[in-house]
Amino acid sequence: NAGVTQTPKFQVLKTGQSMTLQCAQDMNHEYMSWYRQDPGMGLRLIHYSVGAGITDQGEVPNGYNVSRSTTEDFPLRLLSAAPSQTSVYFCASRERNGVSVNTGELFFGEGSRLTVL
Amino acid sequence: KQEVTQIPAALSVPEGENLVLNCSFTDSAIYNLQWFRQDPGKGLTSLLLIQSSQREQTSGRLNASLDKSSGRSTLYIAASQPGDSATYLCAVRHGDYGGSQGNLIFGKGTKLSVKP
Repeated sequence: NAGVTQTPKFQVLKTGQSMTLQCAQDMNHEYMSWYRQDPGMGLRLIHYSVGAGITDQGEVPNGYNVSRSTTEDFPLRLLSAAPSQTSVYFCASRERNGVSVNTGELFFGEGSRLTVL
Repeated sequence: KQEVTQIPAALSVPEGENLVLNCSFTDSAIYNLQWFRQDPGKGLTSLLLIQSSQREQTSGRLNASLDKSSGRSTLYIAASQPGDSATYLCAVRHGDYGGSQGNLIFGKGTKLSVKP
């Protein structure tokens, strides 16, 4: 059981380039989300999705696009990379609504480390 | 707006000591609270999840408590070991209201160092 898989693990971009960070989960989770983690800022939500075809903005959505065509995949697109987008990006997923005691747990990928020069 | 605070930001203890990590939140209307561990250069690993109706959860040497009315949670680590060295984060989830769909709001973490 792979859980949440993110690719690539490391990426270096030049300012203005575009790229897509991939996220896939094999747990049939409806809810998926993208966070960025920066020193002194903690984890901040970029975008999230509660199911295929449904996405919404989080706290820091500017400069990023997402789509959710399948339950399994939730790619994050950087349209025109800027140095301020240098960060570690995490994808996370969970069941949408947990009704039993131990559901609702959020599972994270290993992260994608992005540097924008 | 919900804010989550973790104090202290860093903690260094000798091996074998029992310790408590603190997490406070400003809005008590939470759905659940989750404690995570993050090793350097790695992702977040879930340690314990406490639903809003629960007071505590235990897993091995870890015990997490929740006091919703006072906006506090603690993570107790018994008999600490060097392998416990990591950053510990807490995160609160609101109920499925408005447009948030129950997103997690994170504290900035406590960096724990357990010295042999």
